[in-house]
Amino acid sequence: DTGVSQNPRHKITKRGQNVTFRCDPISEHNRLYWYRQTLGQGPEFLTYFQNEAQLEKSRLLSDRFSAERPKGSFSTLEIQRTEQGDSAMYLCASSTGYLNSPLHFGNGTRLTVT
Amino acid sequence: SQQGEEDPQALSIQEGENATMNCSYKTSINNLQWYRQNSGRGLVHLILIRSNEREKHSGRLRVTLDTSKKSSSLLITASRAADTASYFCATHRDPGTASKLTFGTGTRLQVTL
Repeated sequence: DTGVSQNPRHKITKRGQNVTFRCDPISEHNRLYWYRQTLGQGPEFLTYFQNEAQLEKSRLLSDRFSAERPKGSFSTLEIQRTEQGDSAMYLCASSTGYLNSPLHFGNGTRLTVT
Repeated sequence: SQQGEEDPQALSIQEGENATMNCSYKTSINNLQWYRQNSGRGLVHLILIRSNEREKHSGRLRVTLDTSKKSSSLLITASRAADTASYFCATHRDPGTASKLTFGTGTRLQVTL
């Protein structure tokens, strides 16, 4: 169990640029989640996958956001035409998907849009 | 919207004291989970209590659940400086499924020497 890995750890970008984050979940976990967290708040759900299928997307996920998990392993989250309001910590988590199984989080990617 | 609301928002205690934080939620649940987050890091799962359980212990942690009041509490006994972190409760928005986990706003705990 090597844990959930997220890259990059930090990303600074200019408004209007596109950014992509990567998440490598724990290998035997078939559920993968993306959350966004702003300072002083709890994580807010964005989307989750069961294997390669994207099962739910939050209304927070505007059409500028897209997430993929092409082979049911790693996942990418892309933000197009970034805005200053996108500045946040983006957290990835994985789980086995069983009802009482906990989420295992990565250390997040902190995005700063200037 | 947040499913859970933690109380207090911030708590400052001295090392060796006990810390109690509370969580209220809105809908019926199958389980309630507590997570810890150190500054700038991801969340770490601490403990899960099922809806048919009233109390659970893990080391220095004690969690209670009152489904009639839709509330839970987390007690950390004999706190240490290393317990300084934010603590979140979380529930599944759709009971009976392992869908998205919804987090509260958190309690920021500061333990001083």
